[in-house]
This record gives sequence, structure tokens and C-alpha cells, in this order.
Amino acid sequence: DSGVTQTPKHLITATGQRVTLRCSPRSGDLSVYWYQQSLDQGLQFLIQYYNGEERAKGNILERFSAQQFPDLHSELNLSSLELGDSALYFCASSVAFGGAYEQYFGPGTRLTVT
Amino acid sequence: AQSVTQLDSHVSVSEGTPVLLRCNYSSSYSPSLFWYVQHPNKGLQLLLKYTSAATLVKGINGFEAEFKKSETSFHLTKPSAHMSDAAEYFCVVSSMDSNYQLIWGAGTKLIIKP
Repeated sequence: DSGVTQTPKHLITATGQRVTLRCSPRSGDLSVYWYQQSLDQGLQFLIQYYNGEERAKGNILERFSAQQFPDLHSELNLSSLELGDSALYFCASSVAFGGAYEQYFGPGTRLTVT
Repeated sequence: AQSVTQLDSHVSVSEGTPVLLRCNYSSSYSPSLFWYVQHPNKGLQLLLKYTSAATLVKGINGFEAEFKKSETSFHLTKPSAHMSDAAEYFCVVSSMDSNYQLIWGAGTKLIIKP
């Protein structure tokens, strides 16, 4: 158990809908990362927050947004969902940011868009 | 530019034989290097990390990796494979090149034959 929690575990929704994925980092970790993992594209970094501020952006679509709240939990919002958005979404956390800080991953949310 | 290449998409070994998963990286600055493991339908778990201390790094579950600067490699090894090692393994690099974002390899699927 990494100490990172994600809810829900599974989500099934229809195209065009909007969903919110939630992540609670390990106690003491200030940095939160979101990743998307699909069969055809592998593991893709989406976005990083550090202590409530956006720190880095990866391959995140404009239909997706995220935020980190004062209690350090984070939410990833996915809107106008398409079939291709079906994937595993992982949240990770680290103490800070920088090369030496390893990331600890949550169990993931499996999103299925039908 | 920073990059990481996992030289084999699949590696198949018999139980009880050695494991070698190969990883090469490129980085203009001193890198931090990580190996993560993902068991089927599970999240990612840190196996080990290198951050400019000892070049031979020991990780969990009997795995180790050696940082070889001259060869720009960080291969993962284990003396004797166990059925429970069947998983996907990711080599990851981070440095000032990428503003300390993690750059992920494409993954190597390790198959253990009984």
C-alpha cells in the first residue's frame, strides 16, 4: 500500500459526459501528478501540482482539467468524454519535486467510456 | 534532449534463471534513474532508484541495477526469477534536461515460464 488513495476504482460512463476523479496523496507529500495509461499510448504524464499550484503540464487535453485543494487532495476533471478516453488514470505523489524524489502511485481509476 | 530506451518490449525466462531487463538513457546532466514495476491490474511500485550515490543499487524483491555512466545504461537484474516477478517493468530518468519531470520508458513485459 503506497499511501496514495484514488476514488472511484472503476467508472463507466457514456460519451459526452463529464467525470471527476479524486486523489489523496501520501501524508506529508506536497506534489501530486496525474497519468493516463492506455494500451495504445502507454503511460502518459498529464499534469503536476505542487502545494496547490500547477507545476508542469504534459499531454493533457483541453477537455481535461485538474486542481489541488488546500488540504492537498487533487481532482482530475474529464469532460466531453470520447471513447478514446477509456484508460487507467493514475495519481502519484511525492514529497516535493525534483529528480531525487520518487513518486508513489495510487491503485488507479479505470474509466470506461461507452 | 533527455530520453530513455528499454531495449526489449518482452523478456521471457524460466523460473529460477537470471533476469536481465535492459535500459539505456540519454541526459546532458547527472540523472536520477528509477525502475518501477506494475503487476497485472495493479498500480506502479518503485523497485529501486539511483541518485548519484553507489552505482550498484539494491531494490525490493531481490532486484538490483547498476548505473554505468560510460555506457549510459541502467540495467535491472535478478539472480533467480520467481513466478511472482511476472509483470511490466518501467525504466525512468529524470534530470535538469526535463526540468526534473520523469521521462518513462515504454516498458518491458517480463514473462516467467514454469
